[in-house]
Amino acid sequence: DIQMTQSPSTLSASVGDRVTITCRVSQSVNSWLAWYQQKPGKAPKLLIYKASTLESGVPSRFSGSGSGTEFTLTISSLQPDDFATYYCQQYNTYSPRTFGQGTKLEIK
Amino acid sequence: EVLLVESGGGPVKPGGSLRLSCAASGFTFSTFTMNWVRQAPGKGLEWVSSISGSSSYIFYADSVRGRFTISRDNAKNSLYLQMKNLRAEDAAVYYCAREAFGDLNPFDFWGQGTLVTVSS
Repeated sequence: DIQMTQSPSTLSASVGDRVTITCRVSQSVNSWLAWYQQKPGKAPKLLIYKASTLESGVPSRFSGSGSGTEFTLTISSLQPDDFATYYCQQYNTYSPRTFGQGTKLEIK
Repeated sequence: EVLLVESGGGPVKPGGSLRLSCAASGFTFSTFTMNWVRQAPGKGLEWVSSISGSSSYIFYADSVRGRFTISRDNAKNSLYLQMKNLRAEDAAVYYCAREAFGDLNPFDFWGQGTLVTVSS
């Protein structure tokens, strides 16, 4: 099975900061990688798919890049609403649809 | 508006059974692959199972294969997860999630989740 490793597990940052989260995959998934945002007590929300395509309605301060086995999610200027947990997910294979372990973005 | 509403969660004893449901609306349910994803308290997301629109393709995570059964009723716009022989490690919020249209896509809409607790 494909393994997904996100880093860091926790990230402390301030409003206005530029932050980057990395997702490393144990084997190539081409560009079939998505990023989700989850706030406490809420369902995950799709932010980015196909590694770098922004889902409709997602602010342009979010961006994704990468292909193969290494991917990044960048938030260019953190806003108060962005403090949440972020997950990557590969969808290169039908099963399993692996998620990364999550990165919690905290207010410094 | 796409809406997914899960139900059927609750307390159950180890070894017990539970059937979760997910009522879908706002889209042509029969044309979308649907998934169950769970999240144990304080933990990350774990994909559980998926079923194609016509039920032709069904997949399970190793952790639930043989104990959980996914199914759907397109006439009722509903997705189900029959869970048997439940274990403490199955305790989680269970989300149903729609897979974006087409083949091999991310999950573009999620329900609010239903909580399953497993305890004696």
